[in-house]
Amino acid sequence: DAGVIQSPRHEVTEMGQEVTLRCKPISGHDYLFWYRQTMMRGLELLIYFNNNVPIDDSGMPEDRFSAKMPNASFSTLKIQPSEPRDSAVYFCASTLDREETQYFGPGTRLLVL
Amino acid sequence: AQSVTQPDIHITVSEGASLELRCNYSYGATPYLFWYVQSPGQGLQLLLKYFSGDTLVQGIKGFEAEFKRSQSSFNLRKPSVHWSDAAEYFCAVGLNSGNTPLVFGKGTRLSVIA
Repeated sequence: DAGVIQSPRHEVTEMGQEVTLRCKPISGHDYLFWYRQTMMRGLELLIYFNNNVPIDDSGMPEDRFSAKMPNASFSTLKIQPSEPRDSAVYFCASTLDREETQYFGPGTRLLVL
Repeated sequence: AQSVTQPDIHITVSEGASLELRCNYSYGATPYLFWYVQSPGQGLQLLLKYFSGDTLVQGIKGFEAEFKRSQSSFNLRKPSVHWSDAAEYFCAVGLNSGNTPLVFGKGTRLSVIA
C-alpha cells in the first residue's frame, strides 16, 4: 500500500489567501485524523472523521478552518483566509476501527507570509 | 483530560551508549500508550505501543518501553544507540486503540554524537 498521501508537501502563501490541504487515507481505512504541529503547541488534533462523518471538530481553531471528507478516499482541510499564525506542519492520519495504530502521512509544511 | 509530559526537550548521547526517554501521562484509567519517531521532514512512524498485558513491550529498531502504572510512566529505552536514531520522539496516549484521537507530548529531540 502507498500509505497515507498528503499534498502538497510544501505550501507558501500570502496572508489572506485560501489554502487547501489534501489527504488520501490508506485504502479501506474508516477513520481519518487531521493534526497540526507547531513549535509552541506541539502536535494537536484538529478534527477527525469516521466513515466520512466528522466526529469531533473541537480542535479546529476558528471559523477560518474547515474540513471535509466527501468520500472514503479523500479529505481536505481548508483555511480561508490564511494568517501567519497558521504556519505549521499539518498531518493526516488514518486507521481501521479494529486497528491499533494510526498511520501518518508525511505532512504538509505550510508557511503563511 | 488526558495529558502527556516529556520532561526532556533535547538529549544528546554518544553512539553506542544506552538511551532512556521519559514519558509521564495523566489519565484516570489505563490508557493506550504509544511512542512515535519523526525524522527530519518526515511523518510519524510508530515505534511501539502498549494496551495491556506484559508491561515491557518491544518495538521496531531495537526499542523497548516499560509501562509503570504506579509512576504513570511509559519510558522508552534502547541499549545501544546508532547515529541513525537521531530524530524527534513523541509519546502519545489515547482513550482507545487506533480509532480515537491521540494526545501527544511535546517531544524529545535526540542527537547522537560520535
